[in-house]
Amino acid sequence: SQQGEEDPQALSIQEGENATMNCSYKTSINNLQWYRQNSGRGLVHLILIRSNEREKHSGRLRVTLDTSKKSSSLLITASRAADTASYFCATVRGIGGFKTIFGAGTRLFVKA
Amino acid sequence: ETGVTQTPRHLVMGMTNKKSLKCEQHLGHNAMYWYKQSAKKPLELMFVYSLEERVENNSVPSRFSPECPNSSHLFLHLHTLQPEDSALYLCASSQGVGTVDISYEQYFGPGTRLTVT
Repeated sequence: SQQGEEDPQALSIQEGENATMNCSYKTSINNLQWYRQNSGRGLVHLILIRSNEREKHSGRLRVTLDTSKKSSSLLITASRAADTASYFCATVRGIGGFKTIFGAGTRLFVKA
Repeated sequence: ETGVTQTPRHLVMGMTNKKSLKCEQHLGHNAMYWYKQSAKKPLELMFVYSLEERVENNSVPSRFSPECPNSSHLFLHLHTLQPEDSALYLCASSQGVGTVDISYEQYFGPGTRLTVT
């Protein structure tokens, strides 16, 4: 089974609302990253949280990591229509630190 | 623009054709990656190159053949593909491949949408 699994698979909210996406994983990790992908385009890195960190902020993004539960959440506050995209969590493990495994993603739709 | 370009953006090929996908990064990075993104499936890591040396081959069929002539260019040579190989192929680069303590964010190109008929 895949390493990162996002929940929910799809999320539809109104502009201005907060959006929360969750990610669960199965094995130990070096760090966890969140990426965004606009339809049919490449992925854009949003934020990286290391395994010894619990929370990290970047602008309207807040990421938490609970290694005991093997889960992470991405919160987008005051969402905008431009936030409409798919969001993926990616876990990095292994000695080389390059084996990045992506989840299936959460499709977020923000209605104007 | 992320500094990673991919050509072509769209490709339709028959199962007996031979084609190549090209990726170029203008970021001075030392690591490059190929990923496959199929509909309703997670992004799959295919190959990783560090300083032009392949460090990961994620059980990819031999009909996919990567080539990294220098740290700025990465190719994916395709031959005798199957219809199930139709997907979005994404190239990415990073400053390095990382260590146990250091991980680098990856910068992705826009992808090549491949259709095998």
